[in-house]
Amino acid sequence: SQTIHQWPATLVQPVGSPLSLECTVEGTSNPNLYWYRQAAGRGLQLLFYSVGIGQISSEVPQNLSASRPQDRQFILSSKKLLLSDSGFYLCAWSSLEDSPLHFGNGTRLTVT
Amino acid sequence: EDKVVQSPLSLVVHEGDTVTLNCSYEVTNFRSLLWYKQEKKAPTFLFMLTSSGIEKKSGRLSSILDKKELSSILNITATQTGDSAIYLCAVESWWSEKLVFGKGTKLTVNP
Repeated sequence: SQTIHQWPATLVQPVGSPLSLECTVEGTSNPNLYWYRQAAGRGLQLLFYSVGIGQISSEVPQNLSASRPQDRQFILSSKKLLLSDSGFYLCAWSSLEDSPLHFGNGTRLTVT
Repeated sequence: EDKVVQSPLSLVVHEGDTVTLNCSYEVTNFRSLLWYKQEKKAPTFLFMLTSSGIEKKSGRLSSILDKKELSSILNITATQTGDSAIYLCAVESWWSEKLVFGKGTKLTVNP
């Protein structure tokens, strides 16, 4: 069966520090991969999605970036965090055959 | 731009009550509408509704898609405290690889 791993679960970082959140999927090949951010009262906001290795689509211009170095690995990064980057970050995957998104457990990021 | 609006934003009920959550959408070339339940961390998938499957039921939960009104409802009967969660609605179009989510409805079921 397919599983998705996301880490770390919580993270406290100072303003201006770098960020790297990692997500991996097991049990499937060539998944579509997504990064969402959830802020209180704002629902789930799509940040990036990828349909294949090295293919990244950005939905919201900001100081975050994403990379997909391997088929089942998706990384969210920032060179310098802002206070406004605080939030709950969720990684998700889907396949063409199985349309529903399946989410990881998320990373609670607090930028201080 | 695709858009999903959920109502109410929050709801407080007592155990045993029946609740109806609403979701309306605007999407180009509609493919599907999905409902998720989010308790503390990962949203978990509940239902997917499409043109060929406009009604789904699982236990006390059921959902209907009204393509004419561009909306969906999620019904929960005989609510339990374990139903307390944020319920998310999302829509997908045929030409896009992404889901657009509403802001969610926060349901609180008191004993």
